[in-house]
Amino acid sequence: NAGVTQTPKFQVLKTGQSMTLQCAQDMNHNSMYWYRQDPGMGLRLIYYSASEGTTDKGEVPNGYNVSRLNKREFSLRLESAAPSQTSVYFCATKREVITDTQYFGPGTRLTVL
Amino acid sequence: DAKTTQPTSMDCAEGRAANLPCNHSTISGNEYVYWYRQIHSQGPQYIIHGLKNNETNEMASLIITEDRKSSTLILPHATLRDTAVYYCIVRAWGETSGSRLTFGEGTQLTVNP
Repeated sequence: NAGVTQTPKFQVLKTGQSMTLQCAQDMNHNSMYWYRQDPGMGLRLIYYSASEGTTDKGEVPNGYNVSRLNKREFSLRLESAAPSQTSVYFCATKREVITDTQYFGPGTRLTVL
Repeated sequence: DAKTTQPTSMDCAEGRAANLPCNHSTISGNEYVYWYRQIHSQGPQYIIHGLKNNETNEMASLIITEDRKSSTLILPHATLRDTAVYYCIVRAWGETSGSRLTFGEGTQLTVNP
C-alpha cells in the first residue's frame, strides 16, 4: 500500500521546456490536489479534481494544466516552464468531500533555470 | 476558517512526551481541529483530528478543552524522527473539495537526544 506516489522526485528544466509531473494513489479516494510550496511559504493550491473526469482551478493555475486520467492518477503539466515555477510540488488526496483529511505525496522538487 | 495560534518553537527530550498547544478561541460549532506535520523536505502528513471528544490513534492523542477554544497534541514518547513543523488547522464540516488546506506558521518541534 504505497499511498500517494509522485514522479519524478527531482527535475531541472530550462526556461520554455515542458514536462509532466505524475501522481498516483492507491487509497481509492475521489478528490486529488496539486499544491506548490515555495521556501518559507505555505501551500498554494494549483488545481484539484473532485472526481474522475472533473478538474477545477485553484488559486494559482496560470501556467499549468492537469489531467485526471482515471481515479488513481492526476497529472500536472507545465507547457512552457518559467523560473517563477521553481518550487516543490505536492500531490494530495482527500478521503471524503466533507472532511479535510488529506494525504500527501513526497513531492517533486523542480528547478527552472 | 477559525484562526489558530501556536508557539513558534518547542523542544522535547527523546523518549519524553511532547505536548503541543493550539489556541482557536473563535472556533465554530461545526469546525473540526486537525493536526498535520511536515518533516523537513517531505510532504505534509496527517496526524489526527477531532470535534469535541478527545481522540487517540497510533501516532498521537488530541485533547480538546470543554469550551473547544484550545487543544493539545500529545506525542507520548517523542523520537528524533518526530522533529518537524506541526500545524493546527480548524476546518468546518462540509468544506468543498476546492477549498485548500491553509497551514499557518506552525510549531517547530525539535526532539533532542
